[in-house]
Amino acid sequence: AQSVAQPEDQVNVAEGNPLTVKCTYSVSGNPYLFWYVQYPNRGLQFLLKYITGDNLVKGSYGFEAEFNKSQTSFHLKKPSALVSDSALYFCAVRDGPNAGKSTFGDGTTLTVKP
Amino acid sequence: AAGVIQSPRHLIKEKRETATLKCYPIPRHDTVYWYQQGPGQDPQFLISFYEKMQSDKGSIPDRFSAQQFSDYHSELNMSSLELGDSALYFCASSLNSGATKNIQYFGAGTRLSVL
Repeated sequence: AQSVAQPEDQVNVAEGNPLTVKCTYSVSGNPYLFWYVQYPNRGLQFLLKYITGDNLVKGSYGFEAEFNKSQTSFHLKKPSALVSDSALYFCAVRDGPNAGKSTFGDGTTLTVKP
Repeated sequence: AAGVIQSPRHLIKEKRETATLKCYPIPRHDTVYWYQQGPGQDPQFLISFYEKMQSDKGSIPDRFSAQQFSDYHSELNMSSLELGDSALYFCASSLNSGATKNIQYFGAGTRLSVL
């Protein structure tokens, strides 16, 4: 079974400050990890993924995430937040390449204040 | 670039009615996924199809059924609608090979309201 936890419902940061949105996961095999962003009344948009390779993954809009196997974490980060980054962020996991579904976390609302 | 198309965007039904949601994947994508997202909740996986065959099944109620057609579009059929079925229904598609393998691309969703 696969599961994802996003421990924070809300993250508030000031514009220009670094941001971190936390995610931990549990899978029986090799984790395939994803971050998606959802703007109001919009579909989920892919940000970045980790399959294999470098633990630091760079994605869209200046976001990056670090895969930490020992801590089973995949936290989303950005060095300098923008007001336009305010949205709902979902972490997702798949248990290897043949899993038919992604399991999503509960989502974290990021609010970036000017 | 073409994206995942879902229709209709909004749908209002009454209890015990039926509804059909349609999803047109990105061209050449071979896998389609359906998710249900209730208000303030994360997306819950319902069902997926790969090459027109059901590939995985999640928390899809027995009242719902889905299929993928020869042109790879998919339809989610919902019968005996209940108030609790009111949600945003997302379709996603992916290509089971290449650099974008395992990345799901989502449509804008169909917002179903059951009155």
